[in-house]
Amino acid sequence: DQQVKQNSPSLSVQEGRISILNCDYTNSMFDYFLWYKKYPAEGPTFLISISSIKDKNEDGRFTVFLNKSAKHLSLHIVPSQPGDSAVYFCAASVAGANNLFFGTGTRLTVIP
Amino acid sequence: GAGVSQSPSNKVTEKGKDVELRCDPISGHTALYWYRQSLGQGLEFLIYFQGNSAPDKSGLPSDRFSAERTGGSVSTLTIQRTQQEDSAVYLCASSKGQGAEKLFFGSGTQLSVL
Repeated sequence: DQQVKQNSPSLSVQEGRISILNCDYTNSMFDYFLWYKKYPAEGPTFLISISSIKDKNEDGRFTVFLNKSAKHLSLHIVPSQPGDSAVYFCAASVAGANNLFFGTGTRLTVIP
Repeated sequence: GAGVSQSPSNKVTEKGKDVELRCDPISGHTALYWYRQSLGQGLEFLIYFQGNSAPDKSGLPSDRFSAERTGGSVSTLTIQRTQQEDSAVYLCASSKGQGAEKLFFGSGTQLSVL
């Protein structure tokens, strides 16, 4: 039972263009959402997060948007750079809970 | 180093053998998690330790899996009588406090059961 879903296993984008990675969730109790980035042979590293009281959080080239009514969030990367090529995981949790629920990841390839 | 350290990085074992995976969390982090990622799957929660509290073992897939955390620091995940379906990357993460926020992950142990 996948509570966090990333339906696009891969995405290719030209350098300089926008990358949009999507994530859907089913549990309406989730109130905190995170994006992690993973390079090969490394563990995931935290990228950006958003609380359910917000609908947007921005950090440099990275912006996360949350649409609670649609149970959907997205990560925008502008402009995309070759170093952004990695697997991106969406994750969600309920406040105070022990567990982060992860999606299956989207492999982003930024083409120089 | 300042990060989460896991060993070994790779482990190949035969079906039926026991394996131990080690995790050394970031100093001062009270919370420690084990996750695993099977091929084509997301990260699956296994177990959570917080300070001296009883661990949350709700994610362990079977009684062949166990974990302990000694002295509130190093943790060992043990898989007994390994099966081929246990093949996965086992990831350890730690965080400063309660709640599954902003976890810091190790590089993982790639376990292959032949």
